[in-house]
Amino acid sequence: GNSVTQMEGPVTLSEEAFLTINCTYTATGYPSLFWYVQYPGEGLQLLLKATKADDKGSNKGFEATYRKETTSFHLEKGSVQVSDSAVYFCALRKPNQGGKLIFGQGTELSVKP
Amino acid sequence: GAGVSQTPSNKVTEKGKYVELRCDPISGHTALYWYRQSLGQGPEFLIYFQGTGAADDSGLPNDRFFAVRPEGSVSTLKIQRTERGDSAVYLCASSPREGVTDTQYFGPGTRLTVL
Repeated sequence: GNSVTQMEGPVTLSEEAFLTINCTYTATGYPSLFWYVQYPGEGLQLLLKATKADDKGSNKGFEATYRKETTSFHLEKGSVQVSDSAVYFCALRKPNQGGKLIFGQGTELSVKP
Repeated sequence: GAGVSQTPSNKVTEKGKYVELRCDPISGHTALYWYRQSLGQGPEFLIYFQGTGAADDSGLPNDRFFAVRPEGSVSTLKIQRTERGDSAVYLCASSPREGVTDTQYFGPGTRLTVL
């Protein structure tokens, strides 16, 4: 079946450190891939997305590249800030299945000053 | 503009009781989704509506769960004979259409606790 696996957290980094959160997926065909973020006390919000292989999604300094050969969509940021502390969710959506999202389990990021 | 709203924000009930959770989508959004998020887990799909009809209810765990969207706007998730395992945050999301590229906008969720 379709699934998403993320690296386990929590991830703790110092401000300005480099961030990678790994995400791999299992799905037939060509799903769209997403990163959602949940800041403390707030609802889920879309961070970035990519709809086809080799696409790069980017937003707020975060990037992720859709790698079909490795079925991955790793999230990266060159220099994290304290305000990036949140839970990050990787998700996929298959075409012709409506908009149903399949999420990973989430990775908590804590950035220390 | 107004985002997706959900009421109540918190609901505490006793095992065996009936509960209703409400979702107000963004105005004009035709697609509406319900997800359930257990502690430490990612959201899990329950059901989605395109307009008034349930287009996919494959995520509903059993027949105690039911959802409606009678006028194509507000939706209500109904849970009968609640069990302790139903305790979770129930999330609602809406999008302009159900297309692959359409962003889903999430509400703040309803935290359900079954004692």
